Amino acid sequence: GAVVSQHPSWVICKSGTSVKIECRSLDFQATTMFWYRQFPKQSLMLMATSNEGSKATYEQGVEKDKFLINHASLTLSTLTVTSAHPEDSSFYICSARETGTSGRRFDEQFFGPGTRLTVL
Amino acid sequence: GQNIDQPTEMTATEGAIVQINCTYQTSGFNGLFWYQQHAGEAPTFLSYNVLDGLEEKGRFSSFLSRSKGYSYLLLKELQMKDSASYLCAVSRAGSYQLTFGKGTKLSVIP
Repeated sequence: GAVVSQHPSWVICKSGTSVKIECRSLDFQATTMFWYRQFPKQSLMLMATSNEGSKATYEQGVEKDKFLINHASLTLSTLTVTSAHPEDSSFYICSARETGTSGRRFDEQFFGPGTRLTVL
Repeated sequence: GQNIDQPTEMTATEGAIVQINCTYQTSGFNGLFWYQQHAGEAPTFLSYNVLDGLEEKGRFSSFLSRSKGYSYLLLKELQMKDSASYLCAVSRAGSYQLTFGKGTKLSVIP
């Protein structure tokens, strides 16, 4: 199956700093990528939908100025957590939908391995 | 909006069969996915249903009833490695976005 990578896999930062997380589709092109956040023992919550070459669409309650998303190419989307605070500590997971999947039975999302963010 | 319910935890015995239920309410439906997630890892795809009926894939089967807003994941011949969280997710029509349930943590015991 298609492979999605995330970097870094884990990061520890001080409160007030910014952290950038990369999501890459390694062997396919992804017009659309999704960013999720998962708190301990909770399910995945969609934060935003990232479309190549256009602005991301944020879910209700997610601050777009705090969580900056850039989808500059068909294989890379980045999430920057600006001025991070301890409450932003979470597991961030991206997924990617393969471009040009018309005729497929369904649009499968391929998930990255996740990034564990800890803000001190 | 969308609302997805599934049990929080379940325990089953190695070699047995377990059924994990999921009910959903949605304003636009484009299919239902089941994912397996081990702690600290990303979800992995198990199954997809968009039409009523049963989809079988090896030890795993998934059922959907659109009229009832109901699905289940059936795991047969349970193995210890099946201990994980199982996430039910509904695809929104026209957007490819997924809304996940809170997940069911399955513990397989000897």
